[in-house]
Amino acid sequence: NAGVTQTPKFRVLKTGQSMTLLCAQDMNHEYMYWYRQDPGMGLRLIHYSVGEGTTAKGEVPDGYNVSRLKKQNFLLGLESAAPSQTSVYFCASSFPTRDRGWQANEKLFFGSGTQLSVL
Amino acid sequence: DAKTTQPPSMDCAEGRAANLPCNHSTISGNEYVYWYRQIHSQGPQYIIHGLKNNETNEMASLIITEDRKSSTLILPHATLRDTAVYYCIVRFSTSGTYKYIFGTGTRLKVLA
Repeated sequence: NAGVTQTPKFRVLKTGQSMTLLCAQDMNHEYMYWYRQDPGMGLRLIHYSVGEGTTAKGEVPDGYNVSRLKKQNFLLGLESAAPSQTSVYFCASSFPTRDRGWQANEKLFFGSGTQLSVL
Repeated sequence: DAKTTQPPSMDCAEGRAANLPCNHSTISGNEYVYWYRQIHSQGPQYIIHGLKNNETNEMASLIITEDRKSSTLILPHATLRDTAVYYCIVRFSTSGTYKYIFGTGTRLKVLA
């Protein structure tokens, strides 16, 4: 049981390049989230998903797109990277599946982060 | 959306209790209070959560005021490994879905 796995761990991009960050969870969680954290700041919610095939905007969605084609994966895309997107990106998941009913364990499980630098 | 306010930093002597306050004056009746911590640049780690009753687990205790407008996280015997940024979060629901909005947290430094 690996929990939440993020790939890659580090990436350097040039302005205008595109890339996709992958988040995978093996806990059968319904909800998944993408956050960014800038130096000395708290985490800010970019996008989230409440189930396979669904996505929604968070606090700072501009410049990012997401997809949840499979329940276990949540992809974050940067179509045209900008220096302002230099940050550490964290993925998280929560909740068990509705098939097993709602449980009390509603805490977020985080990945170890992706350090992205845009030059 | 309920927001939280925390002091930016606190110090605590090793072995003493660390009391971290959080203000969430706009919290609504069905919103939970969660606490997470982030050590160095790792992903945040869950500590505890509660709705209106005080809660205790192996890591910490959570005291929520009767009016639910503020809460305090208590680390009973702080160690150097508890040095971290602590986030108080109110989980709120929008149309049946849940979001967790983090603030800037409290940077706790445990002193030897």
